[in-house]
Amino acid sequence: DAMVIQNPRYQVTQFGKPVTLSCSQTLNHNVMYWYQQKSSQAPKLLFHYYDKDFNNEADTPDNFQSRRPNTSFCFLDIRSPGLGDAAMYLCATSSGRWGGYTFGSGTRLTVV
Amino acid sequence: GENVEQHPSTLSVQEGDSAVIKCTYSDRASNYFPWYKQELGKGPQLIIDIRSNVGEKKDQRIAVTLNKTAKHFSLHITETQPEDSAVYFCAALGGGSNYKLTFGKGTLLTVNP
Repeated sequence: DAMVIQNPRYQVTQFGKPVTLSCSQTLNHNVMYWYQQKSSQAPKLLFHYYDKDFNNEADTPDNFQSRRPNTSFCFLDIRSPGLGDAAMYLCATSSGRWGGYTFGSGTRLTVV
Repeated sequence: GENVEQHPSTLSVQEGDSAVIKCTYSDRASNYFPWYKQELGKGPQLIIDIRSNVGEKKDQRIAVTLNKTAKHFSLHITETQPEDSAVYFCAALGGGSNYKLTFGKGTLLTVNP
């Protein structure tokens, strides 16, 4: 049973056209994270929510925004995708400092 | 902040041999160290983890060791099989009040039949 679900698995968007990726969880975890992973690289944290508290990484571009309307859902909004934003976007959850991270299967974003 | 170094970046072994991947971390307060396996086109999957109050943990063919004094931890896979071929990431959860994992750069493991 999938516990962290990302939709869609594959997303193609046009250069400059806003796109939203979604993540849902059935684990009731407090923390939800968004990572960007480019080919042959480690996942890079963009931001995370601890409950409703939003925490942005210092080097995350303003082009990336996030929303968490409730415990179960979290969205990644890319306001004006550039070619350099093509990547795998991973959602993860945890219950806090001692809770194991669980990753979703990712959304592969292509920008044309 | 935390910094995690992972070696080697690529590892090729014959089926049945053992594979060892090593990581070092910088934050002495880090207390949770997971290992992830990532297959092509998929998200990372947790395969084993260890907390700072334990020195070794084993799960069938997979084991992880932690040396807190030296600030390093290692993944050991015995009796490797072709389906073990994947990218493996180590990670560390920093001390303090943050909830963020810092990843190593990954090791591409290839198990040759």
